[in-house]
Amino acid sequence: SQQGEEDPQALSIQEGENATMNCSYKTSINNLQWYRQNSGRGLVHLILIRSNEREKHSGRLRVTLDTSKKSSSLLITASRAADTASYFCATDAIDNFNKFYFGSGTKLNVKP
Amino acid sequence: EAQVTQNPRYLITVTGKKLTVTCSQNMNHEYMSWYRQDPGLGLRQIYYSMNVEVTDKGDVPEGYKVSRKEKRNFPLILESPSPNQTSLYFCATKGSLYEQYFGPGTRLTVT
Repeated sequence: SQQGEEDPQALSIQEGENATMNCSYKTSINNLQWYRQNSGRGLVHLILIRSNEREKHSGRLRVTLDTSKKSSSLLITASRAADTASYFCATDAIDNFNKFYFGSGTKLNVKP
Repeated sequence: EAQVTQNPRYLITVTGKKLTVTCSQNMNHEYMSWYRQDPGLGLRQIYYSMNVEVTDKGDVPEGYKVSRKEKRNFPLILESPSPNQTSLYFCATKGSLYEQYFGPGTRLTVT
């Protein structure tokens, strides 16, 4: 299975601090995506980075991708209590855009 | 409002009793998919459909069936549910930029 892993499994920070979570995967990909899930609810797409990109920004989010190490990181700057959620990375398969593999998630708690 | 809907949202059933979880989307997306989410395992893809009448297996298809007779609907069928299929199920579509849109989830308990 290509299923990735996020690190750390849980992260607790104060409001205003930055949060960094990492994702590792096992085989070559076309794209890597990050999603947020509020407790027990549906996932919400945050950002997509293509395999030929190294860094991407969207608002307070910064994503990096290192295909040589098969890893990605998600940085949330100036975190807010509303950022409290679980964050998942998802990859496709190099030979199949239609199959997706999700990591086990990082549970972020932002304390007000 | 663009959305993916699932029904029912909660279901408790007994082993062996056939059930169907419906999924419907109003975004005119060709691609739809089913996932299950279990603690510590993240989401695992069960089946996906690239278009009407075209479906394929994901990572964990055993014990599940799907059909795609219309573009907007993609039901998940459990012919003979077992306790190990107790899980949180999500339906999703995929947009033109490969981003996925998820439904609210169906929490299934099989006793």
